[in-house]
Amino acid sequence: SAVISQKPSRDICQRGTSLTIQCQVDSQVTMMFWYRQQPGQSLTLIATANQGSEATYESGFVIDKFPISRPNLTFSTLTVSNLSPEDSSIYLCSVLTGERNTGELFFGEGSRLTVL
Amino acid sequence: GENVEQHPSTLSVQEGDSAVIKCTYSDSASNYFPWYKQELGKRPQLIIDIRSNVGEKKDQRIAVTLNKTAKHFSLHITETQPEDSAVYFCAASKAAGNKLTFGGGTRVLVKP
Repeated sequence: SAVISQKPSRDICQRGTSLTIQCQVDSQVTMMFWYRQQPGQSLTLIATANQGSEATYESGFVIDKFPISRPNLTFSTLTVSNLSPEDSSIYLCSVLTGERNTGELFFGEGSRLTVL
Repeated sequence: GENVEQHPSTLSVQEGDSAVIKCTYSDSASNYFPWYKQELGKRPQLIIDIRSNVGEKKDQRIAVTLNKTAKHFSLHITETQPEDSAVYFCAASKAAGNKLTFGGGTRVLVKP
């Protein structure tokens, strides 16, 4: 298993500003992902956070809007830039554990963002 | 890319009855199918998963079946209890360890 700490747990931000979400894992993990869950919706993968290199973004998500850092195997940040009300969502950090990453995908508690 | 459809979107059952949620996927290369449960305000958590070399897997009151030919898999919850009330998500990937594509979710309400 993995213990994932996300900060902040919630925030209210003004339009046009940015929010950086931190994800700290209690053990070294190879695979780390960022998901978005819009109100009442499913989980959509934003990007895979790669240690020491640029993140791999899914269709519809770009680095300028969602810059990601992954300085080591236990930590990552996701920034949501130039906020608009449509960015109001829960953002979840997740990691894969187990031998050869074949195990369970663990999620953090999420960061609930409200944009006014 | 992979597309996962999930039905129904909401399901209301009487306590003690069974609940069945169905998912279909589009990519025949997918071979790992987990199910996640998300209680209100909580993180999604894995409850059961199945790999393509297995047709059925059971864990106490929950079971998952997989039909690779038809590209669909189902979650079965028997003897439902109020604590089973939650949103359930199916997902698919080409291998455990690859990125997951999630279904739209099913909100299950178990009425006492």
